[in-house]
Amino acid sequence: EAGVTQSPTHLIKTRGQQATLRCSPISGHTSVYWYQQALGLGLQFLLWYDEGEERNRGNFPPRFSGRQFPNYSSELNVNALELEDSALYLCASSLARGTSSYNEQFFGPGTRLTVL
Amino acid sequence: RKEVEQDPGPFNVPEGATVAFNCTYSNSASQSFFWYRQDCRKEPKLLMSVYSSGNEDGRFTAQLNRASQYISLLIRDSKLSDSATYLCVVNRHSGGGADGLTFGKGTHLIIQP
Repeated sequence: EAGVTQSPTHLIKTRGQQATLRCSPISGHTSVYWYQQALGLGLQFLLWYDEGEERNRGNFPPRFSGRQFPNYSSELNVNALELEDSALYLCASSLARGTSSYNEQFFGPGTRLTVL
Repeated sequence: RKEVEQDPGPFNVPEGATVAFNCTYSNSASQSFFWYRQDCRKEPKLLMSVYSSGNEDGRFTAQLNRASQYISLLIRDSKLSDSATYLCVVNRHSGGGADGLTFGKGTHLIIQP
């Protein structure tokens, strides 16, 4: 069974540009989560999408946004990039709410974003 | 106080030994608990969920103490391949749904031959 996939693997941008990161969940999973892991810091929760809706967001500015498509894949957009946005961005997926294991999350390999 | 706190280590342990980590969490509303393992520059991988009654998976045993708000992980007969960072993870539920996971910064374990 294919796991969570993310693209691109690496992304290099300059300050002020926009970045788009993509994630495809495990087949059958409807919830997608985005996390940021900056160097030396733990994983920080960014966004949660379920059934096409944004369900919750972490303590990040509005220039971090995203969406979930009808096939449950997701995009994370980061506008007006800043140097401190350089990090590993991880996507995770889980089963739908209401299932017994819905909150077990499985991670993709991540997109390493470098802002110059 | 941080939401999830772990001793960062590193824990240097000889192969075959038993090692235990603890983790404390601050939010008493937390409802789901996990241990993840993360290898260097890789994504976290779910090691095991932690249940109220405690649970075991092979050489790994997890315990939850809600009264004291801590979670533990015990690794028996440690292998070289157990070397990794172990992340304590807590999930609060709100409105009947799951929020994002709150991760500790991890405990670094090095198994020495």
